[in-house]
Amino acid sequence: ELKVEQNPLFLSMQEGKNYTIYCNYSTTSDRLYWYRQDPGKSLESLFVLLSNGAVKQEGRLMASLDTKARLSTLHITAAVHDLSATYFCAVPFYNQGGKLIFGQGTELSVKP
Amino acid sequence: NAGVTQTPKFRILKIGQSMTLQCTQDMNHNYMYWYRQDPGMGLKLIYYSVGAGITDKGEVPNGYNVSRSTTEDFPLRLELAAPSQTSVYFCASTTVTEAFFGQGTRLTVV
Repeated sequence: ELKVEQNPLFLSMQEGKNYTIYCNYSTTSDRLYWYRQDPGKSLESLFVLLSNGAVKQEGRLMASLDTKARLSTLHITAAVHDLSATYFCAVPFYNQGGKLIFGQGTELSVKP
Repeated sequence: NAGVTQTPKFRILKIGQSMTLQCTQDMNHNYMYWYRQDPGMGLKLIYYSVGAGITDKGEVPNGYNVSRSTTEDFPLRLELAAPSQTSVYFCASTTVTEAFFGQGTRLTVV
């Protein structure tokens, strides 16, 4: 069964703190996507990780991919209120017919 | 470049009615997907297509049908709408490096 699991599902942080969101997946894939969703909106692409060991950074967010461990992380550095949103990882299983499966999402709330 | 266009943006259906959600992309992508997102939840894959004439079921296909007669269009059909189909529906198209999403269709079945 194709599964993509995120943790934590809810995260309440104080501004200025660091934290990591984890994304595990159940079977082989060589790439992974991270998205942000604000309430009532569509999904905004954050990162596309295309190979084992890939690391990408944009502002206070950094994402990495370990395809051998089937694990991706989204690290938040010195959180600010504007980062409050729901974050999703998604894994394309091209060797399983091409399904693109999402994690459950992590609802992040950054408080002053 | 319009990207992925979904119509309508909002719709209210009565139980038992049918409707088609439209999805069009102008990027010549082979892979297209339909998802539903229930309040406070993640995205569940309904159906997907890897090219014109090819479709397959996702995680939650019951109550839905799709077709893919052209590369550009991937409509989602709801037959005999039920309250359980109240949700926000997203269409996406992908390359091997990125996925593009439509703005969503908010459907309420009453």
